Amino acid sequence: GAGVSQSPSNKVTEKGKDVELRCDPISGHTALYWYRQSLGQGLEFLIYFQGNSAPDKSGLPSDRFSAERTGGSVSTLTIQRTQQEDSAVYLCASRDTSDPGSGNTIYFGEGSWLTVV
Amino acid sequence: GQQLNQSPQSMFIQEGEDVSMNCTSSSIFNTWLWYKQDPGEGPVLLIALYKAGELTSNGRLTAQFGITRKDSFLNISASIPSDVGIYFCAGQRDYKLSFGAGTTVTVRA
Repeated sequence: GAGVSQSPSNKVTEKGKDVELRCDPISGHTALYWYRQSLGQGLEFLIYFQGNSAPDKSGLPSDRFSAERTGGSVSTLTIQRTQQEDSAVYLCASRDTSDPGSGNTIYFGEGSWLTVV
Repeated sequence: GQQLNQSPQSMFIQEGEDVSMNCTSSSIFNTWLWYKQDPGEGPVLLIALYKAGELTSNGRLTAQFGITRKDSFLNISASIPSDVGIYFCAGQRDYKLSFGAGTTVTVRA
């Protein structure tokens, strides 16, 4: 696609339920990132994918959070047994590491706004 | 990723004013980036800086990569109403970006 696409754009869920957030990166981008943005805060790194593998998942806040990427493209971030403190915007970003000219340009999606009530 | 120290946290502007914000870090970065985020949108890249000491302009925006590689500033000249939003600095080392907490720019009534 033309840009990074995320779904759902908004999600309200009850505490204790599981949620899945989806990211479609820019076609051909090998690197994919998940960030979390809480109200009035900067962006908090969650996980980095290169292809289908995740060499850095150090930012996942607890074992309730997991992510996978299949086919070197779509990624899913799953939050199990959601808590109110999970309410935030979850941003996905991708980067084309094969192009030295644009290798440092990271493009963000519009985010998935999660509210846990 | 680690947080960068971004200041000011917020500012009020009048149309036509120049705006300045900066970021500092205790760590060295290979690349400094400045993003702008409008309400309900993801961050959009404004300027990327790749070399220590580099000064880069993009229209009314000017940014510099500090000589120590631990800081950067962004200037907006002759601000206009659509400059309002949240500006984030980001330092990149290898694949990882670390972000500042953002500078919220609003229009002074």
